Amino acid sequence: EAGVTQFPSHSVIEKGQTVTLRCDPISGHDNLYWYRRVMGKEIKFLLHFVKESKQDESGMPNNRFLAERTGGTYSTLKVQPAELEDSGVYFCASSQKTGLGEQFFGPGTRLTVL
Amino acid sequence: GEDVEQSLFLSVREGDSSVINCTYTDSSSTYLYWYKQEPGAGLQLLTYIFSNMDMKQDQRLTVLLNKKDKHLSLRIADTQTGDSAIYFCAESMSGGSYIPTFGRGTSLIVHP
Repeated sequence: EAGVTQFPSHSVIEKGQTVTLRCDPISGHDNLYWYRRVMGKEIKFLLHFVKESKQDESGMPNNRFLAERTGGTYSTLKVQPAELEDSGVYFCASSQKTGLGEQFFGPGTRLTVL
Repeated sequence: GEDVEQSLFLSVREGDSSVINCTYTDSSSTYLYWYKQEPGAGLQLLTYIFSNMDMKQDQRLTVLLNKKDKHLSLRIADTQTGDSAIYFCAESMSGGSYIPTFGRGTSLIVHP
């Protein structure tokens, strides 16, 4: 069974540009999460989808970030326009259950904004 | 201050025991977790403990919880070079979607 995959693995863009990150969860997992780790800091929750609906988006830093999960399968996280402080590693995770269930994490996308 | 704190680095010799420590602030935390991140890979849940437990053992891993001091530790016995990774402590509360709050991660370096 394939795990959670993320694309791209690395992205280097200039300040003001747009970047779209993609996450493909494990097949059949209704729950999809986005997290971010800024260099050397803790991993912070961004948002949680249940199928195509946003269950909790309390961690989204500002309106430059837009997450979608059309059709309830893969998800995209768009940053527009990107700022220097957006640099970090963006992790996606998925799980079968909403409650305490193991969240399976993807390898992350390392975003560098110059 | 941070909700979950842990030291940033730990260096041990192969074969020795490693102890990674973590403190948290939320006394209503119900679940406490240890995740491992190997280079180039995602986070892997190693183990978790309920707040009504003091200890959990799983092969080479021992988790100790001191709820009074809000202190969690992960002991790895007979540490191997393959254990070199970043270890994240995390906590979550019951109810809701059990989204964990993570610490900064401890980089464990195992040398021969």
